[in-house]
Amino acid sequence: QSALTQPASVSGSPGQSVTISCTGTTSDVGGYKFVSWYQQHPGRAPKLLIYEVNNRPSGISDRFSASKSGNTASLTISGLQAEDEADYYCCSYSSIATVAVIFGGGTKVTVL
Amino acid sequence: EVQLVESGGGLVQPGGSLRLSCAASGFTFSGYWMSWVRQAPGKGLEWVAIMKEEGTERYNGDSVKGRFTISRDESSLYLRMNSLTPEDSALYYCARSRSNLLGPRYFFDSWGQGTLVTVSS
Repeated sequence: QSALTQPASVSGSPGQSVTISCTGTTSDVGGYKFVSWYQQHPGRAPKLLIYEVNNRPSGISDRFSASKSGNTASLTISGLQAEDEADYYCCSYSSIATVAVIFGGGTKVTVL
Repeated sequence: EVQLVESGGGLVQPGGSLRLSCAASGFTFSGYWMSWVRQAPGKGLEWVAIMKEEGTERYNGDSVKGRFTISRDESSLYLRMNSLTPEDSALYYCARSRSNLLGPRYFFDSWGQGTLVTVSS
């Protein structure tokens, strides 16, 4: 199954907001609530930011928010900070097989 | 504190086999679905396999079907990898998934630090 589509990179200045899109199909993003987002700093394991479309785990800053419309999910980082510079991945359950999980290709966020 | 510690990676020749392990602690291992997720050097994340709490269900991604087998015991997760190719070279992460009465909730709330597998002659 193909990866979900994310922009390769986005950038913003400190304090600004950036939004990362994640486009799939009705068999994944558009059909289920199982969309999640992960942050990964270089050399580190991924970290869960958002689960089930728009829920933040405890300890995750409310500067991170997410939504879904149709086949596209979005992650918004508000009040951009230097520490937000990282790779971000979306993820979704996919019904293309009996059980499948697919990730987006990843988006590099650069803080200018 | 939740801890997932992978081991077993290394250099293996094409066509060879390897068994990865993930030792879990700090939570009730038998209460969670568990997955393997891999990341080739400089590339994105790819889900590999998932297994139900009691081990009664298991599912693989298309790219590893028929070659990789996920398994578990009371406190560890395993991945048996056969017929390895250079395309299987990656950092392999063990990851935990919450569930409810309907099944896994398909997000990964805890990750290990990974174990590196290199397939090369």
